[in-house]
Amino acid sequence: AQSVTQPDIHITVSEGASLELRCNYSYGATPYLFWYVQSPGQGLQLLLKYFSGDTLVQGIKGFEAEFKRSQSSFNLRKPSVHWSDAAEYFCAVGAPNYGGATNKLIFGTGTLLAVQP
Amino acid sequence: SQTIHQWPATLVQPVGSPLSLECTVEGTSNPNLYWYRQAAGRGLQLLFYSVGIGQISSEVPQNLSASRPQDRQFILSSKKLLLSDSGFYLCARAGGRRDTQYFGPGTRLTVL
Repeated sequence: AQSVTQPDIHITVSEGASLELRCNYSYGATPYLFWYVQSPGQGLQLLLKYFSGDTLVQGIKGFEAEFKRSQSSFNLRKPSVHWSDAAEYFCAVGAPNYGGATNKLIFGTGTLLAVQP
Repeated sequence: SQTIHQWPATLVQPVGSPLSLECTVEGTSNPNLYWYRQAAGRGLQLLFYSVGIGQISSEVPQNLSASRPQDRQFILSSKKLLLSDSGFYLCARAGGRRDTQYFGPGTRLTVL
């Protein structure tokens, strides 16, 4: 069965420091991978996605993620964190399903990012 | 642009009362639509999805139901709310490559 693990429930970084949020997935085929961000009381915003090709993908707000098939990982990175990046981050794997009519998203449990001044 | 509206933004309801949450989508036709619930400490749970008018699939049997009366309208309902129905309800639409999902602003439901 497909699954997504985000091993860090809560991370605190200083403003200006680099950030890496971990995501590991379990999926039998080539996965579609996503990172979403959720500010308190808000919906989820898509940061970036990976389907195929170049394993380093660029997203919005200066985020990037690298797909490593050998490690079943899709870690999210940002070289310099801003206070406005404080939010909860969700990794998700998309599994083609439903007779190809749509994709099912399986989410990790999220990583809550706090940014210290 | 493609926009997702959810109404209401917040709702406080007594146990046993009915529920109707609405999701409407603009700027696209025949989207795949989803209802998720986000409960404290339980992550995102897919409740229902729809690939067209009148076509509803349930992921988890529970106290809720969904309907799609129009192409761009998706409704989540309950006849009698339970305390465990409290949570943050998110509507999403799929579009673009590989049916990427985009989320609405959500509805915070508190059942007392």
